[in-house]
Amino acid sequence: DGGITQSPKYLFRKEGQNVTLSCEQNLNHDAMYWYRQDPGQGLRLIYYSQIVNDFQKGDIAEGYSVSREKKESFPLTVTSAQKNPTAFYLCASSIAPNSNQPQHFGDGTRLSIL
Amino acid sequence: GNSVTQMEGPVTLSEEAFLTINCTYTATGYPSLFWYVQYPGEGLQLLLKATKADDKGSNKGFEATYRKETTSFHLEKGSVQVSDSAVYFCALIGTGGFKTIFGAGTRLFVKA
Repeated sequence: DGGITQSPKYLFRKEGQNVTLSCEQNLNHDAMYWYRQDPGQGLRLIYYSQIVNDFQKGDIAEGYSVSREKKESFPLTVTSAQKNPTAFYLCASSIAPNSNQPQHFGDGTRLSIL
Repeated sequence: GNSVTQMEGPVTLSEEAFLTINCTYTATGYPSLFWYVQYPGEGLQLLLKATKADDKGSNKGFEATYRKETTSFHLEKGSVQVSDSAVYFCALIGTGGFKTIFGAGTRLFVKA
Protein backbone atom coordinates (compact mmCIF):
# COMPACT_ATOMS: atom_id res chain seq x y z
CA ASP A 1 0.00 0.00 0.00
CA GLY A 2 1.23 3.46 -0.82
CA GLY A 3 1.52 5.95 1.93
CA ILE A 4 3.65 8.18 4.12
CA THR A 5 5.80 6.77 6.89
CA GLN A 6 7.01 8.96 9.73
CA SER A 7 9.52 7.80 12.29
CA PRO A 8 9.99 7.62 15.13
CA LYS A 9 6.50 7.82 16.61
CA TYR A 10 7.88 9.32 19.83
CA LEU A 11 11.10 11.30 20.23
CA PHE A 12 12.78 12.96 23.17
CA ARG A 13 15.23 15.83 22.91
CA LYS A 14 17.80 16.98 25.42
CA GLU A 15 18.77 20.60 25.85
CA GLY A 16 21.10 21.82 23.11
CA GLN A 17 20.51 18.76 20.96
CA ASN A 18 19.44 18.62 17.32
CA VAL A 19 17.01 15.86 16.39
CA THR A 20 15.85 14.66 12.98
CA LEU A 21 12.38 13.43 12.13
CA SER A 22 12.07 11.09 9.19
CA CYS A 23 9.40 11.26 6.49
CA GLU A 24 9.27 8.84 3.56
CA GLN A 25 6.56 8.51 0.89
CA ASN A 26 6.02 5.94 -1.83
CA LEU A 27 3.15 7.76 -3.53
CA ASN A 28 5.38 9.30 -6.21
CA HIS A 29 4.23 12.74 -5.07
CA ASP A 30 6.25 15.80 -6.04
CA ALA A 31 5.25 18.08 -3.16
CA MET A 32 5.97 17.44 0.53
CA TYR A 33 5.21 19.43 3.67
CA TRP A 34 5.98 19.62 7.37
CA TYR A 35 3.44 20.90 9.87
CA ARG A 36 3.52 21.50 13.60
CA GLN A 37 0.41 20.84 15.71
CA ASP A 38 0.13 22.05 19.29
CA PRO A 39 -2.55 20.72 21.67
CA GLY A 40 -5.99 21.96 20.77
CA GLN A 41 -4.69 23.94 17.83
CA GLY A 42 -4.63 23.71 14.08
CA LEU A 43 -1.73 23.01 11.76
CA ARG A 44 1.09 25.47 11.16
CA LEU A 45 3.30 25.07 8.11
CA ILE A 46 7.02 24.78 8.83
CA TYR A 47 8.57 24.02 5.42
CA TYR A 48 7.44 22.72 2.08
CA SER A 49 9.09 21.37 -1.04
CA GLN A 50 7.65 21.32 -4.54
CA ILE A 51 10.49 19.43 -6.19
CA VAL A 52 13.73 17.63 -5.36
CA ASN A 53 16.58 19.90 -4.20
CA ASP A 54 14.21 22.80 -3.59
CA PHE A 55 12.24 23.87 -0.53
CA GLN A 56 10.65 27.00 0.92
CA LYS A 57 10.01 28.32 4.40
CA GLY A 58 6.50 28.18 5.74
CA ASP A 59 4.98 30.28 8.48
CA ILE A 60 7.14 29.08 11.40
CA ALA A 61 10.49 27.97 9.92
CA GLU A 62 12.76 29.47 12.59
CA GLY A 63 14.66 26.78 14.50
CA TYR A 64 13.98 24.11 11.87
CA SER A 65 15.80 22.87 8.78
CA VAL A 66 14.97 20.44 5.98
CA SER A 67 16.50 18.75 2.97
CA ARG A 68 15.02 17.20 -0.16
CA GLU A 69 17.73 15.10 -1.78
CA LYS A 70 15.34 12.41 -2.96
CA LYS A 71 11.75 12.59 -4.15
CA GLU A 72 10.69 10.06 -1.53
CA SER A 73 12.29 11.67 1.50
CA PHE A 74 11.84 14.99 3.32
CA PRO A 75 13.53 14.88 6.77
CA LEU A 76 13.00 17.66 9.29
CA THR A 77 15.70 18.68 11.78
CA VAL A 78 14.61 20.43 14.94
CA THR A 79 17.64 22.44 15.99
CA SER A 80 18.67 23.69 19.41
CA ALA A 81 17.57 27.14 18.26
CA GLN A 82 13.95 25.99 18.50
CA LYS A 83 13.23 26.86 22.14
CA ASN A 84 9.79 25.32 22.37
CA PRO A 85 9.93 22.15 20.28
CA THR A 86 7.38 20.08 22.19
CA ALA A 87 4.61 19.36 19.69
CA PHE A 88 3.12 16.84 17.31
CA TYR A 89 4.82 16.97 13.89
CA LEU A 90 3.01 15.91 10.75
CA CYS A 91 4.48 15.24 7.33
CA ALA A 92 2.28 15.37 4.23
CA SER A 93 2.56 15.05 0.48
CA SER A 94 0.50 15.94 -2.57
CA ILE A 95 0.65 14.97 -6.21
CA ALA A 96 2.06 18.11 -7.78
CA PRO A 97 2.63 21.78 -7.22
CA ASN A 98 -0.05 24.15 -8.44
CA SER A 99 -2.74 21.52 -8.24
CA ASN A 100 -5.91 21.33 -6.19
CA GLN A 101 -5.30 17.79 -5.04
CA PRO A 102 -5.63 16.91 -1.32
CA GLN A 103 -2.72 16.16 0.92
CA HIS A 104 -1.87 12.73 2.30
CA PHE A 105 -0.57 12.63 5.87
CA GLY A 106 1.67 10.40 7.92
CA ASP A 107 0.75 9.36 11.46
CA GLY A 108 3.00 11.95 13.05
CA THR A 109 5.93 12.16 15.44
CA ARG A 110 5.43 13.40 18.98
CA LEU A 111 8.48 15.32 20.20
CA SER A 112 9.06 16.05 23.87
CA ILE A 113 11.81 17.69 25.90
CA LEU A 114 13.73 15.65 28.48
CA GLY B 1 -4.99 36.36 1.94
CA ASN B 2 -6.96 33.14 2.01
CA SER B 3 -8.40 31.96 5.30
CA VAL B 4 -10.76 29.40 6.82
CA THR B 5 -12.93 29.88 9.89
CA GLN B 6 -14.69 26.99 11.55
CA MET B 7 -16.84 26.75 14.64
CA GLU B 8 -15.08 26.34 17.93
CA GLY B 9 -15.41 23.11 19.79
CA PRO B 10 -15.72 20.90 21.49
CA VAL B 11 -19.02 19.71 20.13
CA THR B 12 -20.63 17.03 22.28
CA LEU B 13 -23.50 14.95 20.89
CA SER B 14 -25.35 11.80 21.79
CA GLU B 15 -25.21 8.84 19.45
CA GLU B 16 -27.62 9.13 16.48
CA ALA B 17 -27.84 12.94 16.80
CA PHE B 18 -27.55 15.25 13.79
CA LEU B 19 -24.18 16.91 13.28
CA THR B 20 -23.36 20.27 11.75
CA ILE B 21 -19.89 21.82 11.88
CA ASN B 22 -19.81 25.26 10.31
CA CYS B 23 -17.02 26.37 8.01
CA THR B 24 -16.69 29.64 6.12
CA TYR B 25 -13.83 30.80 3.95
CA THR B 26 -12.23 33.87 2.45
CA ALA B 27 -10.58 33.46 -0.93
CA THR B 28 -10.52 35.04 -4.35
CA GLY B 29 -11.72 33.09 -7.34
CA TYR B 30 -12.83 29.51 -6.95
CA PRO B 31 -10.90 27.60 -4.31
CA SER B 32 -11.14 23.85 -3.81
CA LEU B 33 -12.60 22.93 -0.42
CA PHE B 34 -11.88 19.95 1.83
CA TRP B 35 -12.81 18.34 5.11
CA TYR B 36 -10.17 16.27 6.90
CA VAL B 37 -10.60 14.12 10.01
CA GLN B 38 -7.99 13.37 12.65
CA TYR B 39 -8.46 10.46 15.07
CA PRO B 40 -6.49 10.49 18.35
CA GLY B 41 -2.76 10.01 17.87
CA GLU B 42 -2.99 9.88 14.08
CA GLY B 43 -2.45 12.12 11.10
CA LEU B 44 -5.20 13.75 9.08
CA GLN B 45 -7.26 11.81 6.56
CA LEU B 46 -9.23 13.31 3.71
CA LEU B 47 -12.95 12.96 4.46
CA LEU B 48 -14.47 14.70 1.44
CA LYS B 49 -13.86 17.46 -1.07
CA ALA B 50 -15.59 19.78 -3.54
CA THR B 51 -13.90 21.66 -6.33
CA LYS B 52 -16.59 23.96 -7.74
CA ALA B 53 -19.64 25.87 -6.63
CA ASP B 54 -22.72 23.76 -5.76
CA ASP B 55 -20.67 20.55 -5.69
CA LYS B 56 -21.56 18.21 -2.84
CA GLY B 57 -18.81 16.11 -1.36
CA SER B 58 -19.83 12.98 0.54
CA ASN B 59 -18.19 10.06 2.31
CA LYS B 60 -19.07 7.69 5.19
CA GLY B 61 -22.42 9.44 5.71
CA PHE B 62 -20.84 12.90 5.91
CA GLU B 63 -21.79 15.60 3.41
CA ALA B 64 -20.78 19.18 2.63
CA THR B 65 -21.97 21.51 -0.13
CA TYR B 66 -19.79 24.21 -1.69
CA ARG B 67 -21.82 27.42 -1.35
CA LYS B 68 -20.20 30.23 -3.29
CA GLU B 69 -22.86 32.78 -2.39
CA THR B 70 -22.31 32.33 1.36
CA THR B 71 -18.63 31.25 1.10
CA SER B 72 -19.44 28.23 3.23
CA PHE B 73 -18.74 24.49 3.31
CA HIS B 74 -20.58 23.18 6.37
CA LEU B 75 -20.08 19.53 7.35
CA GLU B 76 -23.21 17.49 8.17
CA LYS B 77 -24.07 13.95 9.18
CA GLY B 78 -27.55 12.70 9.86
CA SER B 79 -26.74 10.23 12.63
CA VAL B 80 -23.38 10.26 14.40
CA GLN B 81 -21.72 7.27 16.01
CA VAL B 82 -19.27 7.01 18.88
CA SER B 83 -16.61 6.11 16.31
CA ASP B 84 -17.04 9.57 14.72
CA SER B 85 -15.38 11.16 17.74
CA ALA B 86 -12.39 13.00 16.29
CA VAL B 87 -11.13 16.44 15.27
CA TYR B 88 -12.48 17.79 11.98
CA PHE B 89 -10.57 20.31 9.87
CA CYS B 90 -11.99 22.45 7.09
CA ALA B 91 -9.42 23.47 4.47
CA LEU B 92 -9.01 25.15 1.12
CA ILE B 93 -6.56 25.41 -1.76
CA GLY B 94 -6.79 28.73 -3.54
CA THR B 95 -7.15 29.20 -7.27
CA GLY B 96 -3.81 28.45 -8.96
CA GLY B 97 -2.17 27.53 -5.68
CA PHE B 98 -1.27 24.31 -3.96
CA LYS B 99 -0.65 25.22 -0.34
CA THR B 100 -3.54 24.09 1.83
CA ILE B 101 -5.01 26.56 4.31
CA PHE B 102 -6.46 24.76 7.34
CA GLY B 103 -9.04 25.90 9.84
CA ALA B 104 -8.30 25.54 13.55
CA GLY B 105 -10.18 22.25 13.84
CA THR B 106 -13.35 21.29 15.72
CA ARG B 107 -13.27 18.47 18.24
CA LEU B 108 -16.35 16.21 18.25
CA PHE B 109 -17.27 13.95 21.17
CA VAL B 110 -20.08 11.45 20.65
CA LYS B 111 -21.55 9.81 23.76
CA ALA B 112 -23.13 6.37 23.72
